Amino acid sequence: DTAVSQTPKYLVTQMGNDKSIKCEQNLGHDTMYWYKQDSKKFLKIMFSYNNKELIINETVPNRFSPKSPDKAHLNLHINSLELGDSAVYFCASSLTGQGRRTSYNEQFFGPGTRLTVL
Amino acid sequence: EDKVVQSPLSLVVHEGDTVTLNCSYEVTNFRSLLWYKQEKKAPTFLFMLTSSGIEKKSGRLSSILDKKELFSILNITATQTGDSAVYLCAVEARNAGNNRKLIWGLGTSLAVNP
Repeated sequence: DTAVSQTPKYLVTQMGNDKSIKCEQNLGHDTMYWYKQDSKKFLKIMFSYNNKELIINETVPNRFSPKSPDKAHLNLHINSLELGDSAVYFCASSLTGQGRRTSYNEQFFGPGTRLTVL
Repeated sequence: EDKVVQSPLSLVVHEGDTVTLNCSYEVTNFRSLLWYKQEKKAPTFLFMLTSSGIEKKSGRLSSILDKKELFSILNITATQTGDSAVYLCAVEARNAGNNRKLIWGLGTSLAVNP
């Protein structure tokens, strides 16, 4: 199936730990994103990667570091987890550029990773 | 500062009612406006609007954009319990570095009662 997948789906960990969330898309898209959705359901963009280059970084703490080994993967590493990091993290991807049939900037989302920091 | 405001924040209706959800925006270098439906997990794409006055339809859902007054509406006719969800509006713009970004509204939580 063509999709955006994330692992793990659930992550429960202690404050101070370091954890990673993985994202993969097999849609042939060239841009990938990480969003944080807090308890109020507000989606906040964290990072955007286009052709392995970071193009948006919306004032996210340095403890969060995205790593994109190739166009199909964008992993999120979080150092020294804090209570406020508890949220659902969504990965998404889209196709950019001219002359393509797919709707420009229509984003396809992964199922989300629910992170709970104790 | 770019912002997207949705109203109402929540809405409770009965099956068969028609609802109108609003999304107003203030952004620089507007490119498009998108509507998403979010149920229990990831948002699913509904519409992308780039031109004023052209209605987009998908079954009982329709949406239109007014670029002069800077808003969009999402209509749902003959609502069903399966329409219960959070409806998110997002506006695509360009930042100072000419990079794309999406600005999200807080969403409208719709509950359709049988």
